[in-house]
Amino acid sequence: DQQVKQNSPSLSVQEGRISILNCDYTNSMFDYFLWYKKYPAEGPTFLISISSIKDKNEDGRFTVFLNKSAKHLSLHIVPSQPGDSAVYFCAASAETGNQFYFGTGTSLTVIP
Amino acid sequence: KAGVTQTPRYLIKTRGQQVTLSCSPISGHRSVSWYQQTPGQGLQFLFEYFSETQRNKGNFPGRFSGRQFSNSRSEMNVSTLELGDSALYLCASSLEAGVWTEAFFGQGTRLTVV
Repeated sequence: DQQVKQNSPSLSVQEGRISILNCDYTNSMFDYFLWYKKYPAEGPTFLISISSIKDKNEDGRFTVFLNKSAKHLSLHIVPSQPGDSAVYFCAASAETGNQFYFGTGTSLTVIP
Repeated sequence: KAGVTQTPRYLIKTRGQQVTLSCSPISGHRSVSWYQQTPGQGLQFLFEYFSETQRNKGNFPGRFSGRQFSNSRSEMNVSTLELGDSALYLCASSLEAGVWTEAFFGQGTRLTVV
């Protein structure tokens, strides 16, 4: 049973425009969320996180929004750059700890 | 500071064999988690070790086991390999267990079962 879902397997965006990657979860106990970026032949690298006490967290071009009532989070990348082309995974945890539930990933392609 | 090191990077095994994968965490990190990545399934949590003790376990059969040594290095073992075990196995380390923090991943071991 997939508790974290990324319903868009792929997304293409023009360079300079906004990329919006979405993630839905089913477990209302999840209280910590992360986004990871993965290039081919590399392990995922941490991008940005948000805890359930916040609804927005910003880090440079990356912003994560959390809507707890809708059990939905999104990652906004503005402006998108070709180097952002990668697979993005969202992950959630139900308690402090390291058992994270990952989504299936969204492959982002930023077109120059 | 060296990152998470996984060995070997690639492995080909035959059905029925067993395999051991190794993970060396970032120096000072005491928590190690293992994940299986297959197309369409994302990253599936296998187990987490902290201070040589398994702290969490995912929904995988008993053929999948692991351990952690006193230096925090971890090994994962899969016995009686099946074709469906072909996947990228990722190890992640973090400073402590029980703390909201990101995990740092290794490059993974690509296991192919033929």
